[in-house]
Amino acid sequence: DVKVTQSSRYLVKRTGEKVFLECVQDMDHENMFWYRQDPGLGLRLIYFSYDVKMKEKGDIPEGYSVSREKKERFSLILESASTNQTSMYLCASSFIRGRRNTGELFFGEGSRLTVL
Amino acid sequence: QKEVEQDPGPLSVPEGAIVSLNCTYSNSAFQYFMWYRQYSRKGPELLMYTYSSGNKEDGRFTAQVDKSSKYISLFIRDSQPSDSATYLCAMSGNSNYQLIWGAGTKLIIKP
Repeated sequence: DVKVTQSSRYLVKRTGEKVFLECVQDMDHENMFWYRQDPGLGLRLIYFSYDVKMKEKGDIPEGYSVSREKKERFSLILESASTNQTSMYLCASSFIRGRRNTGELFFGEGSRLTVL
Repeated sequence: QKEVEQDPGPLSVPEGAIVSLNCTYSNSAFQYFMWYRQYSRKGPELLMYTYSSGNKEDGRFTAQVDKSSKYISLFIRDSQPSDSATYLCAMSGNSNYQLIWGAGTKLIIKP
């Protein structure tokens, strides 16, 4: 079974703190993604990566950065956490869509971050 | 106006009922249409995947795409309490990376 593991299920941080969210996948997927999920807004893409050391901004990258030093690991960094970053953060991975696969996203269980 | 509109619910139906979940969209370039299911405190998982128009059936689940009306549906037959979850529609054009998501419909199946 594909497994996407997020390092922390629940975090509570203070405004201004630096926050690291880590994600590891075990299926050798090329693509990795970070989303945030808020009620009524659905999933919004923060950053994605299609290869090691490659990263692309999604729809809401402001206040976030990412790192992909190894193919299986994709980290999301909040340099200075703010209360409006309180949210559920979801990591996902996928193969590139092609003849043999749909490009299905496999998600981790999420990291619920509260910034006080 | 959002690119993808989905009624957030909650939608509450009795066990055994047929459930219809829907999304409308505005971008005619979308070709790939997906339904994900998300249980409480879990990540979403792919339920149905459809390319272009038409129907696709998998057990109790049927996905329909009507590109002329820019409307997609997910039908659940003989609904079970275990189907209680949030159902998210998602769609994309040719991009491998940009999925556009609906807000999700919370479905409750009452025993």
